[in-house]
Amino acid sequence: KAGVTQTPRYLIKTRGQQVTLSCSPISGHRSVSWYQQTPGQGLQFLFEYFSETQRNKGNFPGRFSGRQFSNSRSEMNVSTLELGDSALYLCASSSRGPSEAFFGQGTRLTVV
Amino acid sequence: AQRVTQPEKLLSVFKGAPVELKCNYSYSGSPELFWYVQYSRQRLQLLLRHISRESIKGFTADLNKGETSFHLKKPFAQEEDSAMYYCALGNSGNTPLVFGKGTRLSVIA
Repeated sequence: KAGVTQTPRYLIKTRGQQVTLSCSPISGHRSVSWYQQTPGQGLQFLFEYFSETQRNKGNFPGRFSGRQFSNSRSEMNVSTLELGDSALYLCASSSRGPSEAFFGQGTRLTVV
Repeated sequence: AQRVTQPEKLLSVFKGAPVELKCNYSYSGSPELFWYVQYSRQRLQLLLRHISRESIKGFTADLNKGETSFHLKKPFAQEEDSAMYYCALGNSGNTPLVFGKGTRLSVIA
């Protein structure tokens, strides 16, 4: 069974630009969650999608958005990038909800 | 509010020594607790969950509801145990996992 796949693995963007990250969950998993991982804050929850609907949302500004497609693949978008958005963005999928999540390898975003 | 506290950012132990990674949580409902591990340049992966009461790679963790703790233990540390360890709190519903800030375990030969 293929694991959670995130693309691209690395991104370098300039302040003010926007970026889209992609996540393909494990086959059959309908819940996809996104987390931001930084050395200082650890893993912080961004949002969770289930059957194309946002079911949970963390405390991030509206510049962070996401969506889920009918095949459960999910995308995350960050607009008007700031230096502080530099982080590892992790996607996790689950069959029954955000608990017991299986993680992708992440997309390392660097904002310069 | 749900909260997970891992008081140690870094824990260094000698090979063969016992290891205990501390995790305390705050949650008024019925918690589900997990330990995740992230080895160097690998993805975050589930190590164990309290409901299964299993031992993985020699690690065990017992949920103590009275002390609201879920400490991770191993009697004899190995060099390959060096990694970042995250304690996570969930529940039987659909709320997202809440992670602690992690503890970096360094096992010294």
